[in-house]
Amino acid sequence: DVKVTQSSRYLVKRTGEKVFLECVQDMDHENMFWYRQDPGLGLRLIYFSYDVKMKEKGDIPEGYSVSREKKERFSLILESASTNQTSMYLCASIRGGRRDTGELFFGEGSRLTVL
Amino acid sequence: QKEVEQNSGPLSVPEGAIASLNCTYSDRGSQSFFWYRQYSGKSPELIMSIYSNGDKEDGRFTAQLNKASQYVSLLIRDSQPSDSATYLCAVVSGGYNKLIFGAGTRLAVHP
Repeated sequence: DVKVTQSSRYLVKRTGEKVFLECVQDMDHENMFWYRQDPGLGLRLIYFSYDVKMKEKGDIPEGYSVSREKKERFSLILESASTNQTSMYLCASIRGGRRDTGELFFGEGSRLTVL
Repeated sequence: QKEVEQNSGPLSVPEGAIASLNCTYSDRGSQSFFWYRQYSGKSPELIMSIYSNGDKEDGRFTAQLNKASQYVSLLIRDSQPSDSATYLCAVVSGGYNKLIFGAGTRLAVHP
């Protein structure tokens, strides 16, 4: 059974803390994405990666960074968490090269609360 | 202007009726369009894809695409309470299979 696994379902952090959200996929997918989801705003793309060590900014990259050292793992980093980063974070992956499937495989999400 | 726009709803329909969900997009170069369903507390899952103008049917679901009007819709026939969810419209923008999502329309099917 194919899977995208996010390391933490629920996190509570304090303002200014460094936060790591980890995502691992077992489908050998080239492309991986980090979205955040907020009520009324839908899914907004933070960063994506199309290969190891490659990354591209999405629509809302400010305050975030990412790391892709291995093909199966894509990490989202909040260098100094702020209360406006309280959100649900969703990791997703898709096979690269084909432009016509659109089937993103999502992890279960990580709900982050910043106090 | 948002890249992908949807009416947030809620859209309330009686069981057995047709639910009609709409989406507009801004990138005229987009070629691939998708509908995802998201149940409360769950991650989105793909239910329909469409690439050509016209209709595409899959069971009770029909996706409609009009590239000239930059408009995508999803029809759900014989709506069931189990169809109650948020429906997200997504459009491939740029390369790398990057999907841009609308804010979603919440559908409520009442018995």
